[in-house]
Amino acid sequence: GAGVSQSPSNKVTEKGKDVELRCDPISGHTALYWYRQSLGQGLEFLIYFQGNSAPDKSGLPSDRFSAERTGGSVSTLTIQRTQQEDSAVYLCASSRSGTSGIYNEQFFGPGTRLTVL
Amino acid sequence: GIQVEQSPPDLILQEGANSTLRCNFSDSVNNLQWFHQNPWGQLINLFYIPSGTKQNGRLSATTVATERYSLLYISSSQTTDSGVYFCAPQARFSDSWGKLQFGAGTQVVVTP
Repeated sequence: GAGVSQSPSNKVTEKGKDVELRCDPISGHTALYWYRQSLGQGLEFLIYFQGNSAPDKSGLPSDRFSAERTGGSVSTLTIQRTQQEDSAVYLCASSRSGTSGIYNEQFFGPGTRLTVL
Repeated sequence: GIQVEQSPPDLILQEGANSTLRCNFSDSVNNLQWFHQNPWGQLINLFYIPSGTKQNGRLSATTVATERYSLLYISSSQTTDSGVYFCAPQARFSDSWGKLQFGAGTQVVVTP
């Protein structure tokens, strides 16, 4: 597709369950970022991928959060044992490159709204 | 990390009015982006502007990196301009990895 896509668009889960959120970046974009937007914290960075590696995981709030990227394309964010404070909109962004200190314009997907009951 | 302050936090405009949104940041930046978040939550790219001035239709933006601020101008506002406007610089730290640091946003409401 032409833009960043994310699935599902909405996810309702029960406290304690695991969830997986998917991001398909723009074709050819090697850099991929996950952010989340919540009422109390605004928009905050979670993790950065360059290709399949994640040199910056500093924004992951706890060890219940993990992410992977395969084939330099699709990324999955996994939240284990979800808690109510995990409720937020999870946004994915991609950009053309992230090498040699060159960071280009980021484009965002529509987000996944996660509600933990 | 870099601190980002946006002002004003809220803005109510009558259709046709002009306005200026401001973004101050605390450290040197590689790049800066302005976004409009529409009522459906989608972040729309407005400007990618590390320095200088750019214009796109009724919108324009200016970043003065040496003085650590950026401005977004909305002219002849329309109801479709309503939403939240975010400023997001990329800090010039060696370990910043290009991640965006978002301000709290300016909520704009344009009334008919």
